[in-house]
Amino acid sequence: QLQLQESGPGLVKPSETLSLTCTVSGGSIVISSYYWGWIRQPPGKGLEWIGNIYYSGSTYYNPSLKTRVTISVDPSNNQFSLKLSSVTAADTAIYYCARRRSNGYDYAFDIWGPGTLVTVSS
Amino acid sequence: DIQMTQSPSSLSASVGDRVTITCRASQSISNYLNWYQQKPGKPPNLLIYAASSLQSGVPSRFSGSGSGTDFTLTIGSLQPEDFATYYCQQSYSTLMFTFGQGTKLEIK
Repeated sequence: QLQLQESGPGLVKPSETLSLTCTVSGGSIVISSYYWGWIRQPPGKGLEWIGNIYYSGSTYYNPSLKTRVTISVDPSNNQFSLKLSSVTAADTAIYYCARRRSNGYDYAFDIWGPGTLVTVSS
Repeated sequence: DIQMTQSPSSLSASVGDRVTITCRASQSISNYLNWYQQKPGKPPNLLIYAASSLQSGVPSRFSGSGSGTDFTLTIGSLQPEDFATYYCQQSYSTLMFTFGQGTKLEIK
């Protein structure tokens, strides 16, 4: 059974770069018809899509975050990563990694990691 | 950007009730609409994809309908485990996925 797990620092200082890794287990990240994505959720608020990546390295980013976001993939370690630069308190959120299907009308996020809380504070 | 608006934002209902949540897109998104359930402290769980297809393992009391700009999620007979927050999400624009603001379903 495919599982995703986020990892990385839970506390980041303002103006620094947030870095998270998602490790995929129980299946390969190198598979057609699936993308891999990051979504975040400020405490008590709604969901915001950050971006997606394909195993080949093709990326799609939320335009509102595009200048600060980099998503990369490491097929050899079955991982993909998120970097968000110049963070502020507004970037404090639970960060989720997820698998996104790509098949006809079906572009849903079907498998999610448990999430990791990242707090931006000095 | 495509905006997604859910209504109501919150809803009180009783076990056994039939409940409907609506989601409206700011432009036509065909059938590219997904529904998720989220419980406190947990990630979202996919319920419905492509507007009306039931995700594997999801109880049949959940159903989705709609196309274009207007969509609904219906829970046929509320069970205690259904009290949660529900989100719609458009996947028409692969350059910018957007979620609705959420509907919190509470016990009356």
